[in-house]
Formats: sequence, structure tokens, C-alpha cells
Amino acid sequence: DSGVTQTPKHLITATGQRVTLRCSPRSGDLSVYWYQQSLDQGLQFLIQYYNGEERAKGNILERFSAQQFPDLHSELNLSSLELGDSALYFCASSPNPGEGYEQYFGPGTRLTVT
Amino acid sequence: GESVGLHLPTLSVQEGDNSIINCAYSNSASDYFIWYKQESGKGPQFIIDIRSNMDKRQGQRVTVLLNKTVKHLSLQIAATQPGDSAVYLCAENIGSGGGADGLTFGKGTHLIIQP
Repeated sequence: DSGVTQTPKHLITATGQRVTLRCSPRSGDLSVYWYQQSLDQGLQFLIQYYNGEERAKGNILERFSAQQFPDLHSELNLSSLELGDSALYFCASSPNPGEGYEQYFGPGTRLTVT
Repeated sequence: GESVGLHLPTLSVQEGDNSIINCAYSNSASDYFIWYKQESGKGPQFIIDIRSNMDKRQGQRVTVLLNKTVKHLSLQIAATQPGDSAVYLCAENIGSGGGADGLTFGKGTHLIIQP
């Protein structure tokens, strides 16, 4: 158990809909990362937040957005869903600068768009 | 059209033998590298990491080697056990933040342990 929690575990929705995925980082970690893992693209970095502020952006679509709240939990919002958005979505957190750089991953949310 | 999945390289080893999993990285400016183990349906699990100012780092039953000249990373697992069966992912940092940024992952290698 990495200490990172994600909800829900599974999500099935229809094209055009909007969903919100939730992540709680390990206790004390200020950085949260979101990744998408699909069969054809592998594991891809989407976005990073540090202490409530966006820090880095990867291959995140404009239809997707994220935020990190004062209690450090984060949400990934996916809108106007398409079939191709079906994937595993992982959240990770890392120790604070100076304490280590490894990222610890949660169990993921499996999104199925029908 | 038909969806084409990632074709993962497969490494099959006998239980008790040593395993060596290789990875080529792309960015010569990367200064942080990390190995993960991912079992089916689970999130990647941290194994070991290495900074670019090092060539080798050892953990429990695992060793990571970094060759910056040819941009090559390897993970050695000693005395492989059935529980080591998984997909192994290498990753490099994307930014210049020394690792505190997003990671770029390789496609992974599927390690299969033969009894």
C-alpha cells in the first residue's frame, strides 16, 4: 500500500459526459501528479500540482482539468468524454523537495466510456 | 479501426536466476531515473531510483545501472522469485527540477518467471 488513495476504483459512463476522479496523497506530500495509462499509449504524464498550484503540464487535453485543494487532495475533471478516453488514471504523490523525488502511485481509477 | 496495444518486450527467466531488464532513455538532459514494478490491475510500485551523478545504486536484491554515454538504464534483480513476475517500467524526469516533475515512462518489459 503506497498510502495514496483514489476514488472511485471503477467508473463507467457514456460519451459526452463529465466525470471527476479524486486522489488523496500520502500524508505530508505536497506534490500530486496525474497520469493516464492506455493500451496503445502506455503511461503518460498529464499534470502536476504542488501545494495547490499547477507546476507542470504534460499531455493533458483541453477537455481535462485538475485542481488541488487546501487539504492537498486533488481532483481530475474529464469532460466531453470520448471512447478514446477509456483508460486507467493514476494519481501519484512525492516527498517534498529535499526529501526525495520518487513518486508513489495510487491504485488507479479505471474509466470506461461507452 | 482495430486498436493496437503496446507490444511489450518479454523476458523469461528461471526461478532463482538473475534478471537484467534494459531501458533506453531519450533525453540526455534528464538527471533522474526511476524503476517501477506494475502488477496486473495495480498501480506502479517504486523499486529504486538513481540520479545522473551516479553510475550504480543498490537496493534489496536490486541494482540499477546508468550509462549516460549511451543513454541506457538497466535493472538487475538477483535470485528472481515468482513474486517478481510483473511489468517493469523505467522512467526519466521530464523537467529540470531534479525529479520533482512529471516522469516520462518507457513501454515496459514483461518479466515472466519460469518454475
